[in-house]
Parts: sequence; structure tokens; C-alpha cells
Amino acid sequence: EAGVAQSPRYKIIEKRQSVAFWCNPISGHATLYWYQQILGQGPKLLIQFQNNGVVDDSQLPKDRFSAERLKGVDSTLKIQPAKLEDSAVYLCASSLGREETQYFGPGTRLLVL
Amino acid sequence: GDSVTQMEGPVTLSEEAFLTINCTYTATGYPSLFWYVQYPGEGLQLLLKATKADDKGSNKGFEATYRKETTSFHLEKGSVQVSDSAVYFCALAHGSSNTGKLIFGQGTTLQVKP
Repeated sequence: EAGVAQSPRYKIIEKRQSVAFWCNPISGHATLYWYQQILGQGPKLLIQFQNNGVVDDSQLPKDRFSAERLKGVDSTLKIQPAKLEDSAVYLCASSLGREETQYFGPGTRLLVL
Repeated sequence: GDSVTQMEGPVTLSEEAFLTINCTYTATGYPSLFWYVQYPGEGLQLLLKATKADDKGSNKGFEATYRKETTSFHLEKGSVQVSDSAVYFCALAHGSSNTGKLIFGQGTTLQVKP
């Protein structure tokens, strides 16, 4: 069974530029999560989708971050404009349902200069 | 709000040594508790979990017991191997919120030397 796919794996941009990350969850998984992991810290939830609807985006900085999950499958996370403090690993995870085991992708490592 | 605290790392052990990584939590209600592991260059993987008080999660020789009275979920292994070198994350999911959202500790790096 294929795991959660993410791309790109690495991205370097300058501050004020925009960037987008893509996630393809495990087939059939209704719930999709985006986490931000800053170096030396545990992952922090940014946004959670149930199919194509948002369940929780309380910690998403909505002035610069946006995310969508069209058709309830793939998802994109966008940052515009990026700040230095956005440098982190962005993890995508999926699960069959809200209380099921979450499976994580390899992450996208973002460096903002 | 809910939170998870892990012992500071890195933890450096010799092969076959006994491992304990401490984890305590703060939460209202009855969360589920998890240990995730991140091997070098790989994504987070679920290692074990426990969903109610006194439950013991176990996998690959690792164990952790959900202790509600001490709000703890310490990870243990009787004999570590070099291949256990990784970053270990303790996490909780708050059942009452019914979202499955995970709250992680800061992670503990384990280095096992031959």
C-alpha cells in the first residue's frame, strides 16, 4: 500500500516570496492533516480536513497561510508571503477517520532566507 | 490547554542497555496517548498507543503504560539496539474534542552506541 506522498521534499525561498506544498494521502483516507514542525519542537497542527471540509484551522495563520483539499483527496498548503519564522518541516498525515491512526508523509523542509 | 512534556535529550546509551523516556501530559478528560518514532531520513511512524487508563501499549519490544494518577506515559525498552536510534515523540489526542488532533511533546533523541 502506498504511503502519504508529499512534494517537494526541500524548498529554499526568500522572505516575502510565496510557496506551495502538495500532499497525496493514502487512498480512501477521509481525514487529512497538515502539521508544522519547527526545529527542536514537536509537530503542531495547522489544519485538519474531513473529506473536503475544514474541521480545525484554529492554529493556521490565516493572514499568510491557506490550504485546500479539492475533491476530498489531494491537498495543497500555501504560504504567501513567507517569513523567516516559517522555516520548518511541513508534515502531511492522513487517517481513515478522525479517531483512527494517523500516517505521516516524509515532509517538506522549507528554508526561508 | 492540553500539553505534553518529554524529558530532555539527547539520551545516549550503549547497546543492550535499559531505556526509559519520560512523558507527562496535561489534559482535561480522558485523552488517548501515543508514542511516535522518527528514524533518520524518514517520516513519523506510530510506535504504540493506549486509549484508557492502565492500558499498556507495546510494539517492537517497547512498552508504555497509561497512568492517569500520575498523568504519565513513559516509554521503556529492556534492551536497546543501534537500530533504535531515532527521535521519539510522545503525543495525546483529546477524545472529547473528537477531532483526532494530535498534540506532541518536543521529542527526545536517542543515540545507541555499539
